[in-house]
Amino acid sequence: QSVLTQPPSVSAAPGQKVTISCSGSSSNIENKYVSWYQQLPGTAPKLLIYENNRRPSGIPDRFSGSKSGTSATLGITGLQTGDEADYYCGTWDSSLSVVVFGGGTKLTVL
Amino acid sequence: VQLVESGGGLVQPGGSLRLSCSASGFIFSDYAMDWVRQAPGKGLEYVSGISGDGGGTSCADSVKGRFTISRDNSNNTLSLQMSSLRADDTAVYYCVRGPYSNYDYWGQGTLVTVSS
Repeated sequence: QSVLTQPPSVSAAPGQKVTISCSGSSSNIENKYVSWYQQLPGTAPKLLIYENNRRPSGIPDRFSGSKSGTSATLGITGLQTGDEADYYCGTWDSSLSVVVFGGGTKLTVL
Repeated sequence: VQLVESGGGLVQPGGSLRLSCSASGFIFSDYAMDWVRQAPGKGLEYVSGISGDGGGTSCADSVKGRFTISRDNSNNTLSLQMSSLRADDTAVYYCVRGPYSNYDYWGQGTLVTVSS
């Protein structure tokens, strides 16, 4: 099992908002920056959020990130069918001295 | 920025393989580089990482003692030497630009299949 815990799946209707949680511990999320990735089917992951809540250039502001304590959250507003993908959180773990990821969350836009 | 992996393929259990990643479009030595893998139908797994000057490395427990990461900053190349390969090493291996989990660029991935 993954060091970071994500729900296996979430779903929402087009135009709605969804949040994806990522739960960790004091050795990772609580004291390190969190990143979020989007992986469309058959493609490499793409960075959506870095340093908890910053968006790389080209990422629309429909995507947002937040962190509180040992948990982080990815928010997506104005859902589109093109947002259907797997989403992963990731961060550094200071106890393991490696990058750790969540198990991934499959987003379905109904 | 472009990252292009090569070297994947079919290998028997216990065998060895060397992956390479050719980087372009940025000052290679300024960035830590990592390898991340994804088994078929599974999630992302950190494999190994190396600092910009090559002086610091880390790797997952699952590959410790079997995989070695290295880099050649004069040729903008990242490598992963894999030995004693097992079936559970079967995955797409991605070359990624770091540091830590700020992976802003990913290669297209190279598939490693360990099977007899």
